[in-house]
Amino acid sequence: EAGVVQSPRYKIIEKKQPVAFWCNPISGHNTLYWYLQNLGQGPELLIRYENEEAVDDSQLPKDRFSAERLKGVDSTLKIQPAELGDSAVYLCASSLEPPGSLTDTQYFGPGTRLTVL
Amino acid sequence: AQSVTQLDSQVPVFEEAPVELRCNYSSSVSVYLFWYVQYPNQGLQLLLKYLSGSTLVKGINGFEAEFNKSQTSFHLRKPSVHISDTAEYFCAVSDAGNMLTFGGGTRLMVKP
Repeated sequence: EAGVVQSPRYKIIEKKQPVAFWCNPISGHNTLYWYLQNLGQGPELLIRYENEEAVDDSQLPKDRFSAERLKGVDSTLKIQPAELGDSAVYLCASSLEPPGSLTDTQYFGPGTRLTVL
Repeated sequence: AQSVTQLDSQVPVFEEAPVELRCNYSSSVSVYLFWYVQYPNQGLQLLLKYLSGSTLVKGINGFEAEFNKSQTSFHLRKPSVHISDTAEYFCAVSDAGNMLTFGGGTRLMVKP
C-alpha cells in the first residue's frame, strides 16, 4: 500500500514569490493534516481536513497561507507571498478516522523542504 | 491544554548499549501517547502508541515504552541499539478529540 505522497520534496524560492505544496493521502483516509516543522523542533499543526472540510485551521496564518482539498482526497497548501521565516519542512499526514478514535493514528509523508532566499 | 517535554535534545550512545529517551506530558484529561521516529530527510514513522490497557507498549525495531500515569511520563527504551537507530525521536500526546502535540524531539546518535 502506498504511503502519503508529497511533492515537491525540495523547493527553493526567493522571498515574495508564491509556492505550492501537494499531498496525496493514503487511500481511504478521510482525515488530512498539514504540519510545519522548523529545524530542530517537532511538527506543529497548520490545518486539519475531514474529507473536504477544514475543521481546524486556527494555526494557519491566513494572511499568506491557504489550503484546499476540493474532492476530499489530495490537498494543496499555498504560500503567497513567501517570507524568509517560512523556510521549514511542510509535512502532510493522514489518518483513517478523526482524532479521538482508536484508529486515529497519523501517517506522515516525507515532507517538502522549503528554502526562502 | 496539553504539552510534551522531551528532556534531552541529544543522546549519544555506543552501539549495543541500552538507551532511554525521556518524555513527560501534561494534560487535564486521559491521553493517547505516541513515539515517532524521523530518519534524515524522511517523514515521521510511528514506533509505538499507548491508547489503553497494559502500560508497557512494544513497538517496531525492538523499542518499547512504559506509560506512568503518576509521573506523567512515557519514556522510550531499547536494550541494545544499532547504528541504524540514529535518528530524531518525537514523543506526542493526543487528548480524545484534540490534535497531536509533539515534543521538541531527541536526537539519538549511535556511535560504533
